[in-house]
Amino acid sequence: NAGVTQTPKFQVLKTGQSMTLQCAQDMNHEYMSWYRQDPGMGLRLIHYSVGAGITDQGEVPNGYNVSRSTTEDFPLRLLSAAPSQTSVYFCASSRLAPYNEQFFGPGTRLTVL
Amino acid sequence: KNEVEQSPQNLTAQEGEFITINCSYSVGISALHWLQQHPGGGIVSLFMLSSGKKKHGRLIATINIQEKHSSLHITASHPRDSAVYICAVLFGGSNYKLTFGKGTLLTVNP
Repeated sequence: NAGVTQTPKFQVLKTGQSMTLQCAQDMNHEYMSWYRQDPGMGLRLIHYSVGAGITDQGEVPNGYNVSRSTTEDFPLRLLSAAPSQTSVYFCASSRLAPYNEQFFGPGTRLTVL
Repeated sequence: KNEVEQSPQNLTAQEGEFITINCSYSVGISALHWLQQHPGGGIVSLFMLSSGKKKHGRLIATINIQEKHSSLHITASHPRDSAVYICAVLFGGSNYKLTFGKGTLLTVNP
């Protein structure tokens, strides 16, 4: 099993550009989530999903969209990148809900110029 | 506001020492996770607790629900234990949203 995969590993964008961060898992997990990690701050939840077709906002959703058309994939879209979105992004998954063991992807380091 | 506090922020130890990292939270929870993040970024789950104590190898995690406090202990620490240790909680009213502490940077010197 590959676990949780994320692409790309690194990305540089210019202000105003859009892009999609990919996340996929092969464990048939219902719960998937996106976090951003910034220096001096804990991981913060952007969006989450409890199953195909069901998504909801986390703590810092502005500027990001998600969709969940399949159990396996949970892409994160940046609509119009801003320097404040420079961060490391992690995708995670678990069975059912986050009271179960969390499996994290390797992360995507995004720089917005 | 639901908050998670970790202490200390930074911890330096000599190989072989007993390590304790603390996590306190503001209101009742349904679950607490301890995670490890090595330099280079990968995050792995160490424990999930809702009560009591768990042990895995040299790692022990405890939780005191009444005092709203959890500890992660490392016995016979080793330089490979050097990492950031992160506490994350699922507050009682938030079935699907984890709240994270800022992490404790542990450095174990040989």
